[in-house]
Amino acid sequence: RKEVEQDPGPFNVPEGATVAFNCTYSNSASQSFFWYRQDCRKEPKLLMSVYSSGNEDGRFTAQLNRASQYISLLIRDSKLSDSATYLCVVNGANAGNMLTFGGGTRLMVKP
Amino acid sequence: DTAVSQTPKYLVTQMGNDKSIKCEQNLGHDTMYWYKQDSKKFLKIMFSYNNKELIINETVPNRFSPKSPDKAHLNLHINSLELGDSAVYFCASSQDLIAGEIGGETQYFGPGTRLLVL
Repeated sequence: RKEVEQDPGPFNVPEGATVAFNCTYSNSASQSFFWYRQDCRKEPKLLMSVYSSGNEDGRFTAQLNRASQYISLLIRDSKLSDSATYLCVVNGANAGNMLTFGGGTRLMVKP
Repeated sequence: DTAVSQTPKYLVTQMGNDKSIKCEQNLGHDTMYWYKQDSKKFLKIMFSYNNKELIINETVPNRFSPKSPDKAHLNLHINSLELGDSAVYFCASSQDLIAGEIGGETQYFGPGTRLLVL
């Protein structure tokens, strides 16, 4: 089983739609969780951190379920500019701040 | 103004050559990292440096050697390049080494170096 698993997609949605991505992780001792966004041929950039039961930032909501080892990202009112790959990232419990990346979920928002 | 910068942006070279990729961060961060993103787009950590000490070293070949002349720089030297080394290499930095103050462990990535070995 991969340490961090995501549906690769692509998710093709119309502008204005609500879309949700899921992610599962295998290490129950993981301490912190993130969603990064990566545009084509660009570097990953932090979208949101998820530290406790989840948090919201504008149109984006991240949820964490430690019991099920499951993280989700909800995007409301999708914009064309939301088209990108969304990476679920988990910080392991060991020293070294080792981030483990999921394979990413590709989102394409169409007019 | 670039927070994390890498040079070169593109690198095309022959098998067997030795090459270096440079990384610099002006964020005052304590920890720097190197990642490899292969053709399947999986990002995997290679090295982590904190205060000039190697903290983690994933199972990468010893042909890869990170060198940190100071806290702001972490260069990656690759000996005897192989076809399988072709990938995008990202440098990153963070303030904290382990989970501490919220936000301190956030990693900021450089723009990447696209390496093609022929």
